[in-house]
Amino acid sequence: SYELTQPPSVSVSPGQTARITCSGDLLPNKYAYWYQQKVGQAPVLVIYKDRQRPSGIPERFSGSGSGTTVTLTISGVQAEDEAEYYCQSADSSGWAFGGGTKLIVL
Amino acid sequence: QVQLVQSGAEVKKPGASLKVSCKASGYTFTSYYIHWVRQDPGQGLEWMGRINPNSGGTDYAQNFQGRVTMTRDTSISTAYMELSGLKSDDTAIYYCARGGQDPYIDYWGQGNLVTVSS
Repeated sequence: SYELTQPPSVSVSPGQTARITCSGDLLPNKYAYWYQQKVGQAPVLVIYKDRQRPSGIPERFSGSGSGTTVTLTISGVQAEDEAEYYCQSADSSGWAFGGGTKLIVL
Repeated sequence: QVQLVQSGAEVKKPGASLKVSCKASGYTFTSYYIHWVRQDPGQGLEWMGRINPNSGGTDYAQNFQGRVTMTRDTSISTAYMELSGLKSDDTAIYYCARGGQDPYIDYWGQGNLVTVSS
């Protein structure tokens, strides 16, 4: 497996846009996936294949990618979006998760 | 609806082995991988490996090779993860989760808190 790097935290005020990045050398060739984990709960998939949104996930969640970096964007952040966010990818040697980014809603 | 129900919290002594179960319902058990993911207290997620319930084939993360064994019993739609040679830093929440052919997880179990302490 390989490394995925995320910033430890991102802070935004309600209604603003949050952008959480994830960097890894293989991301140009492999899809990225994003999970949201609230305190005391199991993770929930919010983006798959870089930019696809599972059913039931609000439209304010979107994903994009450029080169070795993928980005999870949350538009119009709400208090309920405060959580830890993890990127994830995989290659033939296994899976990797990023270290996680704490989204702080001020 | 898809559900993955794990066995309860456990306390183990160093050197012991752990076996966690994950009972699946709401879908065809043999059609999806079961993954195991570990989360150290207050830390991030770590992929341990996966099992193909149809074939029994496994893929293990390098960090756990030689210590982890994943099995399944298709008659009761249950997957198992066994971890041997427990150390204090194996104290963690262990999740089972469902994944398809694409490498991501769409459903998670509730997690098992495992404490390794003498």
